[in-house]
Amino acid sequence: DAKTTQPNSMESNEEEPVHLPCNHSTISGTDYIHWYRQLPSQGPEYVIHGLTSNVNNRMASLAIAEDRKSSTLILHRATLRDAAVYYCILSALNNNDMRFGAGTRLTVKP
Amino acid sequence: EAEVAQSPRYKITEKSQAVAFWCDPISGHATLYWYRQILGQGPELLVQFQDESVVDDSQLPKDRFSAERLKGVDSTLKIQPAELGDSAMYLCASSLFIRGTDTQYFGPGTRLTVL
Repeated sequence: DAKTTQPNSMESNEEEPVHLPCNHSTISGTDYIHWYRQLPSQGPEYVIHGLTSNVNNRMASLAIAEDRKSSTLILHRATLRDAAVYYCILSALNNNDMRFGAGTRLTVKP
Repeated sequence: EAEVAQSPRYKITEKSQAVAFWCDPISGHATLYWYRQILGQGPELLVQFQDESVVDDSQLPKDRFSAERLKGVDSTLKIQPAELGDSAMYLCASSLFIRGTDTQYFGPGTRLTVL
C-alpha cells in the first residue's frame, strides 16, 4: 500500500493561510489523494481530493506536485474552528479503502 | 443533511463481556466501513462491506470480533470477549460506492472503555 508522510503538528495564526504538506513518494499513477480532518470528539470529515490537477472547493485548495509525489492542503484563512487533525490518504482507482496515518495536528492561535 | 448514525455513543464494559455496536449508514450508500481508533492514532480499517458482502476484513481480529450487514443496510460490530486493549473509539463510515473517488461519511463513533 502506498504510504503518506505528514508532520506531526503545525501551528497557525487565526486569519492567516495554512499550508499542510504531505509526501507520498510511492504513489501509483491511478491513486487518488484525499484529505480528511477530524475535529475534537468527532468522526473524520471529508475536505478535498484530487488526482493530478489542483483542486479548489469551499473548504480548501489542494495543490499537487507535477510528479505527484507530494501535495499540499491550503486553508486560505485559518479560523479557530479549523483546529483539527488533518489526514492525507491515498486510495486506489477501484477501491476507496483508506489507510489513515497519524495525521497533522493543526493548532490555530487567536 | 443525511448522517451516519451510531449507537451507543459510549459503552463501558468489563473484560470478558460481550459488546455490540450498531451503525445505520446514509440511505442508498452501498459501502460501509468499520474503523477502530486508538487515542492519539488515526483510524484503522477493520472491515469493509459492499452491500451485504465483506470486501475486506483482513485487519479484523476474527477470534473475538465479528461484523455483519445482513440486509445490506445497517450493520453490527460485536466483540466477544472484550479485552482491555479493545478500549478505543469505533467509527462507522459509508460511501455511495467503492470507487476511489467516493467520499466516506463518518458517524460520531462509539467510545468503548473496557475495565
